[in-house]
Amino acid sequence: ETGVTQTPRHLVMGMTNKKSLKCEQHLGHNAMYWYKQSAKKPLELMFVYNFKEQTENNSVPSRFSPECPNSSHLFLHLHTLQPEDSALYLCASSQGWGDYEQYFGPGTRLTVT
Amino acid sequence: GQQLNQSPQSMFIQEGEDVSMNCTSSSIFNTWLWYKQDPGEGPVLLIALYKAGELTSNGRLTAQFGITRKDSFLNISASIPSDVGIYFCAGQPPSRGAQKLVFGQGTRLTINP
Repeated sequence: ETGVTQTPRHLVMGMTNKKSLKCEQHLGHNAMYWYKQSAKKPLELMFVYNFKEQTENNSVPSRFSPECPNSSHLFLHLHTLQPEDSALYLCASSQGWGDYEQYFGPGTRLTVT
Repeated sequence: GQQLNQSPQSMFIQEGEDVSMNCTSSSIFNTWLWYKQDPGEGPVLLIALYKAGELTSNGRLTAQFGITRKDSFLNISASIPSDVGIYFCAGQPPSRGAQKLVFGQGTRLTINP
């Protein structure tokens, strides 16, 4: 595998379900990000991790819970989501602090029913 | 917060034509990035610009960092069918953390063969 991978690529879940999104980067980067991409809206930054430590939470509701066990893996745990949370969730990575070039994964298309 | 105004929102051109799109803001940015997103995929970094006035090329793509630091443009010469997609600009504002990018809403490019 190369670059940034995400699984699953598609996910349909009910509002009472619990699911997790996974991201893995094979670039040797130290920073990882979660973004939300909704139709007709710019990408919204959700969380930033540097060397496994969360350095940014962009006022994200607690029903989204990130986890970063190491610099290569990032998870987004989902529970009791709302239909308006349906979107493309993108993971990205970069070399680290001060590096603005972020590399994105293919995303997980989430539908909440 | 800071916003990027990306235009045009969509373009319909003939194969072989040149394309020009831009991003503007009322605020200054330290870095400008241009991404392309294909359907069902994540954004792919095309060009990164770090200095006001900088002009950088990547094959048929050319991008410039505006001298006022408030705008950037992307040109595509001699368009081909694989250029179809959504192009996003992203900027790193000086008032935000080093890893927080602001994204434009995208320019959707459609090419008629």
